[in-house]
Amino acid sequence: KNEVEQSPQNLTAQEGEFITINCSYSVGISALHWLQQHPGGGIVSLFMLSSGKKKHGRLIATINIQEKHSSLHITASHPRDSAVYICAALPYQGNYGGSQGNLIFGKGTKLSVKP
Amino acid sequence: KAGVTQTPRYLIKTRGQQVTLSCSPISGHRSVSWYQQTPGQGLQFLFEYFSETQRNKGNFPGRFSGRQFSNSRSEMNVSTLELGDSALYLCASSNLRPGQGIYEQYFGPGTRLTVT
Repeated sequence: KNEVEQSPQNLTAQEGEFITINCSYSVGISALHWLQQHPGGGIVSLFMLSSGKKKHGRLIATINIQEKHSSLHITASHPRDSAVYICAALPYQGNYGGSQGNLIFGKGTKLSVKP
Repeated sequence: KAGVTQTPRYLIKTRGQQVTLSCSPISGHRSVSWYQQTPGQGLQFLFEYFSETQRNKGNFPGRFSGRQFSNSRSEMNVSTLELGDSALYLCASSNLRPGQGIYEQYFGPGTRLTVT
């Protein structure tokens, strides 16, 4: 079983729909990243969170540390949101002096938004 | 500020050869991490450098190595290439200051390596 699991693997939505992508992890974490990858490979960091909720435009990310679960929501989806969304966990290392690049990645959710 | 740059963007090599990939972080960033992305395994952590020191290493064979220079630029090297090394290699930099919080990773465009 992977330490970071995402669902669904693939998601097709109509423009304007509300979208939710889920991420569950089995390790203790210092932070969880949500990343967006467009065709061609470029990755953009959307959110980095260790508790609660963050919002940026139409994107909202939440995390429940006790349940080891995070969600990424997209409101009023648009075809330009079509991409692969990846969650990545930063394992807890006791303090901020540890490594921060040793992320454990989910397999990604491929989102396609149709006009 | 310029983003993270990686060179070359595309590379074709033959089995048994070696390859060196380069990553220039965002100006002022001293932390560089490397990742491998394949269709089968997804994204996997290779190594992380801070101020010329390797801070962590992923579960890859010794054929994979890296280093960081005093200007924070980093290189990774793969020796004795195998077909399974065909992948997108991504580097990311962060403005990490050890002991002072969690930092966002800024990714480069990647180098797509094909081994034939």
